[in-house]
Amino acid sequence: AQSVSQHNHHVILSEAASLELGCNYSYGGTVNLFWYVQYPGQHLQLLLKYFSGDPLVKGIKGFEAEFIKSKFSFNLRKPSVQWSDTAEYFCAVNLNRDDKIIFGKGTRLHILP
Amino acid sequence: DGGITQSPKYLFRKEGQNVTLSCEQNLNHDAMYWYRQDPGQGLRLIYYSQIVNDFQKGDIAEGYSVSREKKESFPLTVTSAQKNPTAFYLCASSWPGQGNTEAFFGQGTRLTVV
Repeated sequence: AQSVSQHNHHVILSEAASLELGCNYSYGGTVNLFWYVQYPGQHLQLLLKYFSGDPLVKGIKGFEAEFIKSKFSFNLRKPSVQWSDTAEYFCAVNLNRDDKIIFGKGTRLHILP
Repeated sequence: DGGITQSPKYLFRKEGQNVTLSCEQNLNHDAMYWYRQDPGQGLRLIYYSQIVNDFQKGDIAEGYSVSREKKESFPLTVTSAQKNPTAFYLCASSWPGQGNTEAFFGQGTRLTVV
C-alpha cells in the first residue's frame, strides 16, 4: 500500500536554528508532493509543492524542499527558524493516477524564543 | 470569498446515533475529500470523490458513508458502526487532473461522541 513517512514526530529548536524535516513515500509511479502547515487553531495551509521541473522548490515564509527521486524523499528545510514557525507540518503525496492524496503523520515543531 | 465551509465546528452526539457532517465548497472544484485527524496519526483518508455521483473509499472508510449529489457538497455520515468516532474531521477540495494541484481545506469539525 502507498504510504508517507515523516521521520520526526516532535522537534524542538531554538530560534535561528536550521531546520530539516524528513519525508519519504512509497509509491513507484509518478507523484506530486506537498508540504502543508497547520498553525495552532488554524486550518491547513499549503507551504510548497512539487509537480515537475527543478527538484528544489521554494515555498512561503522561507521554506524550501528538495525532491530526490532515487531516495523517494521530499525533505523540508529552512535555514533559520522563527518562533512563529511553531506549528504542525504534514508531508503529502498525490498519486497521479487517481487523485488520491495521502498524508504523513505530521511533525510537531516547537520553536523556543 | 471562495472557500470550503464545514459545519458545525463542534458536534456532540450520543453513542449509537448516526451523525452527518456538512462540507460545502464554492471553488468550483471537481474533487472533494474527507480526512480524519487524530493526535499522532496525521490525516487519514476516509473517502474521496473525483466527480459528481462518484466516490471512492479511502484507507479508513469502515463505519462512514458519503454522497456526492452536487458538485458543491460532499456530506459525511458517521454511522453507529464506526467504533471510535470521536475525532477532528477535515474536508478538502481540489482540481483533479493527474494530481498536479493542491488541496484546499476547511476549518474542520470536531466530533465528540459520548
